[in-house]
Amino acid sequence: LAKTTQPISMDSYEGQEVNITCSHNNIATNDYITWYQQFPSQGPRFIIQGYKTKVTNEVASLFIPADRKSSTLSLPRVSLSDTAVYYCLVGEDNQGGKLIFGQGTELSVKP
Amino acid sequence: DVKVTQSSRYLVKRTGEKVFLECVQDMDHENMFWYRQDPGLGLRLIYFSYDVKMKEKGDIPEGYSVSREKKERFSLILESASTNQTSMYLCASSFSGGREQLYGYTFGSGTRLTVV
Repeated sequence: LAKTTQPISMDSYEGQEVNITCSHNNIATNDYITWYQQFPSQGPRFIIQGYKTKVTNEVASLFIPADRKSSTLSLPRVSLSDTAVYYCLVGEDNQGGKLIFGQGTELSVKP
Repeated sequence: DVKVTQSSRYLVKRTGEKVFLECVQDMDHENMFWYRQDPGLGLRLIYFSYDVKMKEKGDIPEGYSVSREKKERFSLILESASTNQTSMYLCASSFSGGREQLYGYTFGSGTRLTVV
């Protein structure tokens, strides 16, 4: 399972765009990149998943360069309620394979 | 709305007790997982199951066992609870793949277990 590296914490202000980058140099050909969001005292929640290029949904965008050795989660116009821990994971999630969570990035959005 | 339901939100147990944590999912998922989460250590995988009556050890299985008699239910068992098992326990489930549409894990809300 590929290891991921992401910043421990980030600060932002309401209305800003936030980009969280994750490194996964040893990503395997069959691995997908998945991001989760976790609020205090809750389980992680699936945000977005992708394999290559760009994926966008109603919550976020995921940018994956051609070499797939990194990925960037983009949160447009964050609000206070986006304050949470964001986890980047790589693995064969499309096949239900187990995922290993790293430390995550603690995003703090300030007014 | 699809759900993973954990039977208790908070539990307080005494050292040496046998503790059962129950998890039920209504999505017909094949895979189910138990994690524990501790400050500074993140989420760590305890056990997982790919099918009924199947189980696989995760990264920290010591002191735990699991049971999966039905597809929708995955139980975590602490045979003899100890204070170092005080933690937040999270259950998750996922589809086993085979489709173009990708699915992530769905987590329950967690059980905060305190062993005194």
